[in-house]
Amino acid sequence: DGGITQSPKYLFRKEGQNVTLSCEQNLNHDAMYWYRQDPGQGLRLIYYSQIVNDFQKGDIAEGYSVSREKKESFPLTVTSAQKNPTAFYLCASILAAEGTEAFFGQGTRLTVV
Amino acid sequence: AQSVTQLGSHVSVSEGALVLLRCNYSSSVPPYLFWYVQYPNQGLQLLLKYTTGATLVKGINGFEAEFKKSETSFHLTKPSAHMSDAAEYFCAVGYYKLSFGAGTTVTVRA
Repeated sequence: DGGITQSPKYLFRKEGQNVTLSCEQNLNHDAMYWYRQDPGQGLRLIYYSQIVNDFQKGDIAEGYSVSREKKESFPLTVTSAQKNPTAFYLCASILAAEGTEAFFGQGTRLTVV
Repeated sequence: AQSVTQLGSHVSVSEGALVLLRCNYSSSVPPYLFWYVQYPNQGLQLLLKYTTGATLVKGINGFEAEFKKSETSFHLTKPSAHMSDAAEYFCAVGYYKLSFGAGTTVTVRA
C-alpha cells in the first residue's frame, strides 16, 4: 500500500541533544512538508521541499534542519537550538498537480526529558 | 497571502443532531479548500476538498461542505452525528503550501 511512514511514533530526547525524525513516502509525490502541532494552535509549517536537493523555510524553521537527498525521504532534525521542542510532528506530501490534497503520516510525538 | 479562521475551538453535539463546523478563509487567488479530520495521536485524513466547479462538495463519512465565495466561507456539515465523529477537524487553504486553522474539537453526547 502506498503511503507515508513516520518513525519513530514516540521519541524522548534529553535537553541539549539533536534528534532526527524520519519521513518516507512511496506515493511518488514531488513535494514534502514538516508541520508542528501544539494544542490549540493547529499545524504550523516548519520546512517544505518541492524537489530533490531543494527546500525552503516555513513559518517556524528556527532550531530545525532538513535534507532532501531522495524524492521519497525528507528527514527532520530537531537541534538543541530549538527552545521548546516537545510537540507532535507531522510529515505530509503532495503530488505536484493542481487541486491535489496533502497526505499525512501518523506523526511522531517528541518529548524532551 | 492565505489564511483560515475556524470559529469555535470546541463543539458539542448530541448523537443524531446536526454537526456544523465553521471556516472562513482569506486568499489572494481562487482558493483550494480542504477539511481534514484527526483522531488522537494520529495523522490527518482528508474529508473533502473544493478546487473548482460545484460549490457543494460531498466527502467521506456523510460530511459535506459548501463553498461560498461571497461570504469567503467553507463550512462543514453532517446531518446526523455519530459517536465515531468525535475528533478534531481542521480547515485548510492553499495549493502547494497549506495554511491550517487552529482546529475544532467535536464531542458527541450519547
